[in-house]
Amino acid sequence: NAGVMQNPRHLVRRRGQEARLRCSPMKGHSHVYWYRQLPEEGLKFMVYLQKENIIDESGMPKERFSAEFPKEGPSILRIQQVVRGDSAAYFCASSPPATSTDTQYFGPGTRLTVL
Amino acid sequence: GQQLNQSPQSMFIQEGEDVSMNCTSSSIFNTWLWYKQDPGEGPVLLIALYKAGELTSNGRLTAQFGITRKDSFLNISASIPSDVGIYFCAPEGGSNYKLTFGKGTLLTVNP
Repeated sequence: NAGVMQNPRHLVRRRGQEARLRCSPMKGHSHVYWYRQLPEEGLKFMVYLQKENIIDESGMPKERFSAEFPKEGPSILRIQQVVRGDSAAYFCASSPPATSTDTQYFGPGTRLTVL
Repeated sequence: GQQLNQSPQSMFIQEGEDVSMNCTSSSIFNTWLWYKQDPGEGPVLLIALYKAGELTSNGRLTAQFGITRKDSFLNISASIPSDVGIYFCAPEGGSNYKLTFGKGTLLTVNP
């Protein structure tokens, strides 16, 4: 049973470009969470999605950031017009339908560098 | 807003030594989780605590949920080189999904 998959593992973008980060949850998991980790910091919650629904986006910046989890395919975290401050590691976690905090399994992360 | 303090920030120890780290908060939490993150990887759950006062072990790891529900500690006994990594506390306060992570404790073990 493959774990949570994220790609790309490393992404380099110039200021003003778009970044698209993908997350494929574990088999049987229908809940996806995105977290951001700045250098030497802990992970910060961004958004919680179920298939075709955004449940809680309270941690998402109001502008330039969006997330989706379509009926088919991976969850996408999209950052438009990236700035240097967006450089961070972005982690996706997934959990089965009967969610609780101890069933979130994390992917390896995407490290975004904005030049 | 809530404050979550994790200490120490980093530790350098010799193989075989015991290690202790802790997290304190200004808020009450329902669950305390402890994760380990290896370089270039995502966090992996080590121990989950659900009740105030609960003491739980997982091999050489022992963690306790403070009686006030505002703190937790993690002990690692007889450390080995593969214990190297960053350890995070991650309490949860009622949403059942939104984890709050401490800043982490970087552990280095000298063989």
